[in-house]
Amino acid sequence: NAGVTQTPKFRILKIGQSMTLQCAQDMNHNYMYWYRQDPGMGLKLIYYSVGAGITDKGEVPNGYNVSRSTTEYFPLRLELAAPSQTSVYFCASSYRTGKKETQYFGPGTRLLVL
Amino acid sequence: GDSVTQMEGPVTLSEEAFLTINCTYTATGYPSLFWYVQYPGEGLQLLLKATKADDKGSNKGFEATYRKETTSFHLEKGSVQVSDSAVYFCALSDEYNAGNMLTFGGGTRLMVKP
Repeated sequence: NAGVTQTPKFRILKIGQSMTLQCAQDMNHNYMYWYRQDPGMGLKLIYYSVGAGITDKGEVPNGYNVSRSTTEYFPLRLELAAPSQTSVYFCASSYRTGKKETQYFGPGTRLLVL
Repeated sequence: GDSVTQMEGPVTLSEEAFLTINCTYTATGYPSLFWYVQYPGEGLQLLLKATKADDKGSNKGFEATYRKETTSFHLEKGSVQVSDSAVYFCALSDEYNAGNMLTFGGGTRLMVKP
């Protein structure tokens, strides 16, 4: 049971390039989330998904896209990278939604846009 | 909107010292409160949680009490170890937020010296 895994661990992008951050979970969780963490700040929600084929925006969705074709995978797409997207990205999942539920996090992807 | 404020770090302690990391919050509804810990090179892990006022969460010698009157959820441990060195995040989940997303504080780095 690997939990939540993310690839790559670290990436440098040039302005205007695109990339996909990968996230997978093997816990059969319905709910998945993408957060970003800027230095000295708390994590902020980018997008979330309540199940395969269903996604919705969080607090800071601009510049990102997501898809959820299966329960296991929830990739995050950056189409035109900008310096403001330099951050650490965390994927998370939970079995149910609700304010009492625990979210399980991956190890993060550190992205640097130059 | 909801917010979480926690003391800035780093906090440096000697082994066996007493630890307090302050956390206060503002929320629209009646949130659940969480402490997550991030060890070097790893993802965030749930340390403890409390889902209603006066609840005490505890785990691995850490504890925190949900104080509605002071809107606080301070983390304490009686005797820290070197292995407790990590970044600690206070967070809340409110039913009024999209996807029951977690709202995080900025994190507090704890360094424990032998």
